[in-house]
Amino acid sequence: DGGITQSPKYLFRKEGQNVTLSCEQNLNHDAMYWYRQDPGQGLRLIYYSQIVNDFQKGDIAEGYSVSREKKESFPLTVTSAQKNPTAFYLCASSSDSFMNTEAFFGQGTRLTVV
Amino acid sequence: KQEVTQIPAALSVPEGENLVLNCSFTDSAIYNLQWFRQDPGKGLTSLLLIQSSQREQTSGRLNASLDKSSGRSTLYIAASQPGDSATYLCAVPSGAQKLVFGQGTRLTINP
Repeated sequence: DGGITQSPKYLFRKEGQNVTLSCEQNLNHDAMYWYRQDPGQGLRLIYYSQIVNDFQKGDIAEGYSVSREKKESFPLTVTSAQKNPTAFYLCASSSDSFMNTEAFFGQGTRLTVV
Repeated sequence: KQEVTQIPAALSVPEGENLVLNCSFTDSAIYNLQWFRQDPGKGLTSLLLIQSSQREQTSGRLNASLDKSSGRSTLYIAASQPGDSATYLCAVPSGAQKLVFGQGTRLTINP
């Protein structure tokens, strides 16, 4: 089945720790995205990548980092610089820009600071 | 700056009713509008993508309409079922690589 796989489903982070969220897609899509979802704030764009080895900051990139070494994979690292990381993280992909094509989302990773 | 609004925030109806969910956007120069469904603790499932040149798009019991001039879209759900209970989100592109989402409507279908 084609789709987007995010792992793990739940992740717990201690203060000062970096953690990495995985996102893999087998849709052969060029573009991949990371969104953060908080209650009452909707979805906000963290980073996006239109092609391998290239990525751009979104609206709330501070405290996050990404890499795009393979077309299928777009991992997100939540660094210790992110002061309020507890949220639901969603990875998405599209074959072209959002102006032309549909966006597909993964099942999400819930990150909690302990 | 594009803003997307969904009203009401929550809706509860008995099973079998036909219902309409609303989505409004401030900038009418959109390329398309997408409707999603989100179950509690889950990701987003794409329901319908309606292009700016279209007025309607249908998938099963779902029908989405788009009126760019008035900045509105509706999602019509026919013969609602308890399995339709979820949060429904609409989104429009803001530039090539960003989607702007509404806050969603939480729908409950009562058996």
